[in-house]
Amino acid sequence: GAVVSQHPSRVICKSGTSVKIECRSLDFQATTMFWYRQFPKQSLMLMATSNEGSKATYEQGVEKDKFLINHASLTLSTLTVTSAHPEDSSFYICSAGPQQGGYGYTFGSGTRLTVV
Amino acid sequence: AQSVTQLGSHVSVSEGALVLLRCNYSSSVPPYLFWYVQYPNQGLQLLLKYTSAATLVKGINGFEAEFKKSETSFHLTKPSAHMSDAAEYFCAVSAGAGSYQLTFGKGTKLSVIP
Repeated sequence: GAVVSQHPSRVICKSGTSVKIECRSLDFQATTMFWYRQFPKQSLMLMATSNEGSKATYEQGVEKDKFLINHASLTLSTLTVTSAHPEDSSFYICSAGPQQGGYGYTFGSGTRLTVV
Repeated sequence: AQSVTQLGSHVSVSEGALVLLRCNYSSSVPPYLFWYVQYPNQGLQLLLKYTSAATLVKGINGFEAEFKKSETSFHLTKPSAHMSDAAEYFCAVSAGAGSYQLTFGKGTKLSVIP
């Protein structure tokens, strides 16, 4: 089946530093990747949609200069949280697709970001 | 535009009892509907999906859901709960074929009592 690898699974960083999160589709080419943010005990909120080779489309209220998304290849998208602050602490999840031969997107295992 | 309402943020059932997680949707176009499960600190795993074929959809781990257009519902059921079913469940909707953007409900936490 389709596998999406997200790395790192957990990261702790100091306030003011930047953190990069990777999302890789391991056995299929992903023309589209979605980045979500999930606060504790809440649902997933879509942050942005990235299409390979083009600029990401950000949802309203998401700062594009703070959450940099790069989708330079069909198997890799990255989310960089720049100048992180404690309020950026959250669970970030990517999904990639569509899968060949069927409809659907596969989710990564998520990244727990803690900014101290 | 699409939206999803999951009734009950927390559901508790006894092991072996029926599991029923409720989901109602709103969509301006024929929707695709999904149920995902999330274990602590993990991503989402697809349980099942409705994509305009059979209205009764069978998924993994013994779960199934029925699409009822007249009720705008897509409730998730399992005849007999297992301890390993304890997790967070999310219902999601997309705007049908060609649209891959998902709108999620707020989730329902399922607890299974031994």
